[in-house]
Amino acid sequence: QVQLQESGPGLVEPSGTLSLTCGVSGDSPSTRDWWSWVRQPPGKGLEWIGEVSYGGVTKYKPSLKNRVTISMDKSINHIFLTLTSVTAADTAVYFCVRVLPSFQGFPNWGRGSLVTVSS
Amino acid sequence: QTVVTQEPSLTVSPGGTVTLTCGSSTGAVTSGFHPNWFQQKPGQAPRALIHHVGIRFAWTPARFSGSLLGGKAVLTLSGVQPEDEAEYYCLLFYGDFWIFGGGTRLTVL
Repeated sequence: QVQLQESGPGLVEPSGTLSLTCGVSGDSPSTRDWWSWVRQPPGKGLEWIGEVSYGGVTKYKPSLKNRVTISMDKSINHIFLTLTSVTAADTAVYFCVRVLPSFQGFPNWGRGSLVTVSS
Repeated sequence: QTVVTQEPSLTVSPGGTVTLTCGSSTGAVTSGFHPNWFQQKPGQAPRALIHHVGIRFAWTPARFSGSLLGGKAVLTLSGVQPEDEAEYYCLLFYGDFWIFGGGTRLTVL
């Protein structure tokens, strides 16, 4: 069983940079897996942000593409999310998600990390 | 801007059957959109139920089934249990990125 744990600052100032880390533990994930970030503003729905493959290939939501970077440090099984120029609209719970290859689904989710953008 | 549409809310009686749909503003949803379905209860992370139209995960009860019907992805709950009350989200693939639907709040009453 793969476990995911998000961590990072809970408060970011407007126009600043949001940085989160996802630690992967438990069973060794496959090198074919992808890793997504999904967010959920308080009281609202889910939003797919982007994903990274074990080989470092990335895909992003078009409307966030200019502000987001997702990367992975394979040596320590950590996945990183960076979102620049944040506003209050970026306030959300951010989830790290394991994505199986060949469209086999999104089976493993972290508990989520609440990030509030406020001065 | 592409939009994935779901019913905002539905109500079903215990033991009943309910159908949730997932449509795309681009046209008919096909297997190429690799529809996924998730269940989320208050204060919890989403839980994956179904991937690629109708394939259940090992933990997904058999009363949940996914299909394509009338140009939409469909999640059918048969023999609804009180614990099925939750928010349900679909997720569709658009070639290079994924988009979630707005979610359906299912009430079991």
